Amino acid sequence: NAGVTQTPKFRILKIGQSMTLQCTQDMNHNYMYWYRQDPGMGLKLIYYSVGAGITDKGEVPNGYNVSRSTTEDFPLRLELAAPSQTSVYFCASSYHFGTLDNEQFFGPGTRLTVL
Amino acid sequence: GDSVTQMEGPVTLSEEAFLTINCTYTATGYPSLFWYVQYPGEGLQLLLKATKADDKGSNKGFEATYRKETTSFHLEKGSVQVSDSAVYFCALNNAGNNRKLIWGLGTSLAVNP
Repeated sequence: NAGVTQTPKFRILKIGQSMTLQCTQDMNHNYMYWYRQDPGMGLKLIYYSVGAGITDKGEVPNGYNVSRSTTEDFPLRLELAAPSQTSVYFCASSYHFGTLDNEQFFGPGTRLTVL
Repeated sequence: GDSVTQMEGPVTLSEEAFLTINCTYTATGYPSLFWYVQYPGEGLQLLLKATKADDKGSNKGFEATYRKETTSFHLEKGSVQVSDSAVYFCALNNAGNNRKLIWGLGTSLAVNP
């Protein structure tokens, strides 16, 4: 049981390039999330998904796109990378059924630098 | 809307010192409350949680009590270790937020030997 895995661990992009951050979970969780973490700014939700085929915007969705074709995978796409997207990106998942106390499980993160 | 406020860091302590990290919240209804910990270079992981007023969550020597009268969920540990050096995040989950966690900004803790 690998939990939540993310690739790559590190990436440097040039301004205007595109890339996809991969996220996979093997816990059969229905909810998945993408966050970015900037120093001193906590976590900001980019997009989330409540199940395959269903996605919704979080607090900071501009410049990003997501898809959820399977329960396991939730890739994050950056189009036309900008320096403001330099951050650490975390994918998380949780199993929601009824109560509000379900734990979110996090991946190890992707450190992205846009130059 | 709902919000979480944590004490600002960084917090620097000597080994075996007592730790308190304050967390207060604003929310309607009856949210669940969480503390997550992020060790250097890693993702976040759940440290403890509480789902109703007066519940006490505990794990690895850390404790936090859900106080509805003061809307607080302060994290405490009686004797910190160097290995507790990390960033600690307070968060809440409420029925009106479509299962999205509301996060505090995090408090960095450094424990010196």
